[in-house]
Amino acid sequence: AQSVTQLGSHVSVSEGALVLLRCNYSSSVPPYLFWYVQYPNQGLQLLLKYTSAATLVKGINGFEAEFKKSETSFHLTKPSAHMSDAAEYFCAVSGPNTGNQFYFGTGTSLTVIP
Amino acid sequence: KAGVTQTPRYLIKTRGQQVTLSCSPISGHRSVSWYQQTPGQGLQFLFEYFSETQRNKGNFPGRFSGRQFSNSRSEMNVSTLELGDSALYLCASSPSVAAIAYEQYFGPGTRLTVT
Repeated sequence: AQSVTQLGSHVSVSEGALVLLRCNYSSSVPPYLFWYVQYPNQGLQLLLKYTSAATLVKGINGFEAEFKKSETSFHLTKPSAHMSDAAEYFCAVSGPNTGNQFYFGTGTSLTVIP
Repeated sequence: KAGVTQTPRYLIKTRGQQVTLSCSPISGHRSVSWYQQTPGQGLQFLFEYFSETQRNKGNFPGRFSGRQFSNSRSEMNVSTLELGDSALYLCASSPSVAAIAYEQYFGPGTRLTVT
């Protein structure tokens, strides 16, 4: 079965520091990969997606992610954290091996320290 | 375009009751998926509808059901509510026939509390 692993359920960074949120997937076939962000009491908002085009994907709010097939990873980064980045981040996967379903990781809560 | 809307936003029910949640997708989107989000289990897929047909179903008991109308609006129903059904229920729509390759757009969710 397809699965997504997000390492670190809680990540804290200082304002202005690099943000790195980790996501690994299990699939023998490169899937479609997504990062979503969820602010309190809201739904999920798409940050970026990988669908077998460029391996480095740029998203909204200065976020980007790199697809690394050899490492089965799709880590999310942002060079400089802002206070407004504090939220829950979810990695998701879909593709031929998922039966047309989206599978989400358990989420990483990002805290930005002023 | 208007985003995905879900009604009601908040709901309090008693054990044993049933509840119906509604979702209106983005105009033109024909795929609607439902998820249950809880602190312990995270986001779990309930089911997906496309053109009024259930195309995929997650691992939930039969108390959870859904349907989609010809205008793509969707409802989900939970019968015989249990305390463990307390959760945020999220609806997501997708523009694609093959939802797997396209992002899903999420509504704000319905917060269900079962007492």
